[in-house]
This record gives sequence, structure tokens and C-alpha cells, in this order.
Amino acid sequence: NAGVMQNPRHLVRRRGQEARLRCSPMKGHSHVYWYRQLPEEGLKFMVYLQKENIIDESGMPKERFSAEFPKEGPSILRIQQVVRGDSAAYFCASGKREDTGELFFGEGSRLTVL
Amino acid sequence: SQQGEEDPQALSIQEGENATMNCSYKTSINNLQWYRQNSGRGLVHLILIRSNEREKHSGRLRVTLDTSKKSSSLLITASRAADTASYFCATPSGYSTLTFGKGTMLLVSP
Repeated sequence: NAGVMQNPRHLVRRRGQEARLRCSPMKGHSHVYWYRQLPEEGLKFMVYLQKENIIDESGMPKERFSAEFPKEGPSILRIQQVVRGDSAAYFCASGKREDTGELFFGEGSRLTVL
Repeated sequence: SQQGEEDPQALSIQEGENATMNCSYKTSINNLQWYRQNSGRGLVHLILIRSNEREKHSGRLRVTLDTSKKSSSLLITASRAADTASYFCATPSGYSTLTFGKGTMLLVSP
């Protein structure tokens, strides 16, 4: 009965490199959400996806960030040309309904940009 | 913009005491949720209260919702050291997304 699986748990990148974060939702869930958390801050919504569709990307930075949730495989959050300010914990959550009920979170991917 | 705001930012109590955290929000909602986050971990859902409910219990947790004041409270009774964590309220916004507050950091000392 696996929960939301995120990998890698920790990722170190140098400025200018690319970071790819993966998320497999809970079995039976078709809605995936990505959030970013800075140290001692709350979660900031980034993007909401369903299979092969981006539903709401209002929280995504306009440049360098992209997300996908293909028909097969995990959801991917991609950050190109990382900068130090991208260092944060990135959390994925999944849900099974559209009425903003309970979300199930992964353990997060902690990105450190050197 | 932040929808929910928790108060206080930090709370330090002794084991056995009760802990109360508050959340205020800005727009009309159909439900409000509370989550817990242990240090370095993901968030865990604690309880959901709907807009037509005034109070809800789950074990040692008691949540209230006052839609006229746009506020909610989370009470943890008989706290334990294991309750040490950050607690967040979350409200629906946009296209079926949840907006989280900055959280209350609770420290329960043995």
C-alpha cells in the first residue's frame, strides 16, 4: 500500500545544471500537485496536473520551471539552469477527487544548489 | 497570496498540557483542513472540517470552525513529546488546489 513516492530525496546541483524531480502518486489517484517549501516557511503551490494535462500552473515561475504528468510513468518537475534561490524542499501530493479533499504528501525532494 | 494564517508562529508547552493553534482565512471556503509536518518529513493530513460543521473531533484533536469570523482552531489535548511538529491549516483555492498557511511550530517538552 505504497504512498506517494518521490525521488530523489536529496539532490545537489551546481548553478546552471538541471534538476529533475519525480513523483509517483498513490495508487488510484489521478491528481498530482507540486509545492515548494523554503526553510521555516509554509508550502507554496506550484502546479496541479492530471494525466497528460496541466490544470493549474499559476504558481510556477515563468521561466526555467516545467512539469508534466505523462500517461505512463511518474510526474516530473524539471528545473533548468538552477540558481541558488531554487534551493528548497519540493513536495508532491496526490488526491483522488476534484473537490479539494484530503491530499497525500510524499516525503519531499530536497534540492541544494551550490 | 496566503489564504490561511496560523497563530501563534511558535508554541512551547509541557507534556500533558493542551495546545491551541488558530487559523484565519480570507475568502469563503467549503472546507478547511489541518496538516502536521514533522521535521524533514512530508505533510500528514489530520482532519477536515466542512463549512456546515462547527466542531469536529478526532482522538485528542478538536477542530472548530467559525465561518462568520473566517477562523478555525486546532486543539491538541494532553499533549505528548511526539506531538512536536509544525501544524498547518489549508483551504481550497483556484482549480481544486489547497493553499497553506506558514504554520505553527509546536514544541512539547517532556
